[in-house]
Amino acid sequence: GQQLNQSPQSMFIQEGEDVSMNCTSSSIFNTWLWYKQEPGEGPVLLIALYKAGELTSNGRLTAQFGITRKDSFLNISASIPSDVGIYFCAGQRRETSGSRLTFGEGTQLTVNP
Amino acid sequence: GAGVSQSPRYKVAKRGQDVALRCDPISGHVSLFWYQQALGQGPEFLTYFQNEAQLDKSGLPSDRFFAERPEGSVSTLKIQRTQQEDSAVYLCASSDRGVGYGYTFGSGTRLTVV
Repeated sequence: GQQLNQSPQSMFIQEGEDVSMNCTSSSIFNTWLWYKQEPGEGPVLLIALYKAGELTSNGRLTAQFGITRKDSFLNISASIPSDVGIYFCAGQRRETSGSRLTFGEGTQLTVNP
Repeated sequence: GAGVSQSPRYKVAKRGQDVALRCDPISGHVSLFWYQQALGQGPEFLTYFQNEAQLDKSGLPSDRFFAERPEGSVSTLKIQRTQQEDSAVYLCASSDRGVGYGYTFGSGTRLTVV
């Protein structure tokens, strides 16, 4: 089963608002990733974080790798309608074979124009 | 190809039938992964290939699930004697990098067992 706790489960916001979501784990990950999934499609990588404390931006998206390596957050600034979708955090542990990803349960984002 | 291609996009199977799901990874990608995504959940790891070698199959839920990648490119996930709990989206992903990097997912095959 999944080991990542992602919150909130869903968010309903107005266009232009900022959004914040986070992910916590009971165990350490060496890499944190944030994905977006739209209906009928596979997850698409948004941001990858490789070092504890790292803060990385990709356009209006900013994500941080927690110091304890057990958490991460994703911020979206000035949301637009095309931000709608499900956002997943995922962790990777280099020491396990195959670099499998462990996913959170997702945050469903709805943006009202 | 330009992306990871999966077929079929949709599959309806009667309980007890065998199904085969195909994945064409990005050309040249060494690593290939299969994930299972139940409705309303995040994807869960099934199995991992490096070239033709299946290095990790610990996520396969039962011995009814079998995956192969005989020539190190195309992969097939086979489910024997399908059951209703097998209904899910099956995602394939590939990567040309080692551990610690995200990878590219296909659009998935939605399997419905009736």
